[in-house]
Amino acid sequence: AQSVTQLDSQVPVFEEAPVELRCNYSSSVSVYLFWYVQYPNQGLQLLLKYLSGSTLVKGINGFEAEFNKSQTSFHLRKPSVHISDTAEYFCAVRRMDSSYKLIFGSGTRLLVRP
Amino acid sequence: EAGVTQFPSHSVIEKGQTVTLRCDPISGHDNLYWYRRVMGKEIKFLLHFVKESKQDESGMPNNRFLAERTGGTYSTLKVQPAELEDSGVYFCASSQASIKNTEAFFGQGTRLTVV
Repeated sequence: AQSVTQLDSQVPVFEEAPVELRCNYSSSVSVYLFWYVQYPNQGLQLLLKYLSGSTLVKGINGFEAEFNKSQTSFHLRKPSVHISDTAEYFCAVRRMDSSYKLIFGSGTRLLVRP
Repeated sequence: EAGVTQFPSHSVIEKGQTVTLRCDPISGHDNLYWYRRVMGKEIKFLLHFVKESKQDESGMPNNRFLAERTGGTYSTLKVQPAELEDSGVYFCASSQASIKNTEAFFGQGTRLTVV
C-alpha cells in the first residue's frame, strides 16, 4: 500500500519570501509523484509531476520540486511567493504499474501575507 | 475545450434522503474517476471507470453509493440513503487512455452537506 504525508497543515509566509511545502511518501513499489493545487472555488490543477529522469522538476507558476528516493520525499519549493499563490497544495503518488489511482496527502494550506 | 464539469456545485440534504451527483468528463477521455474529501482530510479514491466499465471500485465506502457511466460519457454518483458521515467534497476527474503520461484533470467538486 502507498501513503503520503504532508506534515504541515498550514504554512503562513510573507509575500516575496521563499517557501517549501513538505511531502513524504511510503510505498513498496515504484511510484510517480505529483503536486496539485486548489485555488479558492476552483478544482484541482496539476502543478508538476515526476515520472522519471532528472530529480528536479519544474512546474507552472515558478514552482519546482525535488524527488529524493533515499528520503522518500518530494518537497515543493518556490523562491519568491505572491499573494496569488494562496491556495491548498496536495502531494500525490500513483503506482507505476497499471493502476491509475492517485493517493493523496491531507493537503497544506499556503497563506501568503502582504 | 471544456474541462471536467460537476453538478451541482453544492447540495444540502437531510439524513436519509437521496442525492445524485453528476460529472461530465473532458470529451474523448475514456478514464473517469471519483474521489472524496471528508472534513479537511486527504482526498480519497472512490472508483475508476474505463468507458462504461468499472475498472476499480475498491474505494467505495459501502453499498449506499452507486456509480454509473452509461454509454461511457457522463457519470453519476448516487448516495441512498445519505448519512451524516457522507458530507464532504466529491471530486470527479478524467484522463486519456495512456498510462505513463496520464494527467488526471479534476472538476471543481460538489460540496455535499448532510444534516
